[in-house]
Amino acid sequence: QSVLTQPPSTSGTPGQRVTISCSGSSSNIGSNTVNWYQQLPGTAPKLLIYYDNQRPSGVPDRFSGSKSGTSASLAISGLQSEDEADYYCAAWDDSLNGVVFGGGTKLTVL
Amino acid sequence: EVQLVESGGGLVQPGGSLRLSCAASGFTFSTYWMSWVRQAPGKGLEWVANVKEDGTEKYYVDSVKGRFTISRDNAKNSLYLQMNSLRVEDTGVYYCARGGRQQYNCWGQGTLVTVSS
Repeated sequence: QSVLTQPPSTSGTPGQRVTISCSGSSSNIGSNTVNWYQQLPGTAPKLLIYYDNQRPSGVPDRFSGSKSGTSASLAISGLQSEDEADYYCAAWDDSLNGVVFGGGTKLTVL
Repeated sequence: EVQLVESGGGLVQPGGSLRLSCAASGFTFSTYWMSWVRQAPGKGLEWVANVKEDGTEKYYVDSVKGRFTISRDNAKNSLYLQMNSLRVEDTGVYYCARGGRQQYNCWGQGTLVTVSS
């Protein structure tokens, strides 16, 4: 059972917009910034969004992040086949004194 | 080019020990927090431990406290994870990542640890 809650899976068709939710609490998302990672099959994770809504250089602007209270969301617009991957949210938890990850959401592009 | 390369994984019996290493290059290692993150087969990511730039602060996930020790050698641009009293549930790919409390903007390719009799 992960501290941050994500839907196990989601899907969309090419060109569609999908969102992935991440629910936490006051000790993690509610008081610290949220980061999102993309993990393509068989590869190491890659930073996708940091500080709730910032994109590292090289990440397409099709990817965006938002946060409200103790929940965060990742939105992917103009869905492409290469976006098929696992997506994880993460944040520091002040109570646990550690980083907590969501359980991950598997995105399938139909 | 910023690069992290892990090594030291392998097969070990329950109760055994392993020492993982992570060689960093392409950035000033001594100015970054560093972390270990693991992933059990077919499962999600789990943060394991992190260490401050100068090694004076260390944090661990509860499940490894007292068994694992994170350390670093800034002169050698290297991060380590000493793993003792290994359990079957410690099996997985262990990633070295640049960052501590905030984002992990660089990851290694991972090293596989298998704990089995």
